[in-house]
Amino acid sequence: NAGVTQTPKFQVLKTGQSMTLQCAQDMNHNSMYWYRQDPGMGLRLIYYSASEGTTDKGEVPNGYNVSRLNKREFSLRLESAAPSQTSVYFCATTGNTGRRGAYNEQFFGPGTRLTVL
Amino acid sequence: SQQGEEDPQALSIQEGENATMNCSYKTSINNLQWYRQNSGRGLVHLILIRSNEREKHSGRLRVTLDTSKKSSSLLITASRAADTASYFCATDALSGGYNKLIFGAGTRLAVHP
Repeated sequence: NAGVTQTPKFQVLKTGQSMTLQCAQDMNHNSMYWYRQDPGMGLRLIYYSASEGTTDKGEVPNGYNVSRLNKREFSLRLESAAPSQTSVYFCATTGNTGRRGAYNEQFFGPGTRLTVL
Repeated sequence: SQQGEEDPQALSIQEGENATMNCSYKTSINNLQWYRQNSGRGLVHLILIRSNEREKHSGRLRVTLDTSKKSSSLLITASRAADTASYFCATDALSGGYNKLIFGAGTRLAVHP
């Protein structure tokens, strides 16, 4: 099993360009998440999908859109990239939707390092 | 705003020494988790402690939770150079009916041979 995979690993964009970050999991998990990690800031939640067919905003959603294509795939799109979106992006999954229950561990992909010039 | 805050921000020790990292949080939680991140890699789950637990062990890891003080600590005993990494605490937060994890800024641990 590959676990959680992300593509691409690295990307350089010019301001105003668009791109989609892909995430796929083979763990049969319901919930998927997109985070960004900036130096000294820890991880901040961009969007999440509690289950197939649903998506919700996280802490820092501005400038991003997401699509939960099916149970396996959750993509993050930057429509018009800005230098402030230079960051490392992580996708994560968990088997527990979290409603009313104790929260289970999240499994992370290897990350996408994005630079916007 | 971040729920969890780790202390110290950076820690440098010698192999064989113990490393203690602390995490404080603001609101009530169901559980608290600790993750490890090696440089350039994704986060890996280490241990989860529930709000009704006070202490938990896993190998060389010992986690404590004090809900009255809204704080947790991670102790790594007999540290090794391979323990060099960043360590993050994460707390769950109920929002919109779904739990989400909120991460602290992390503690960078360097273990010198």
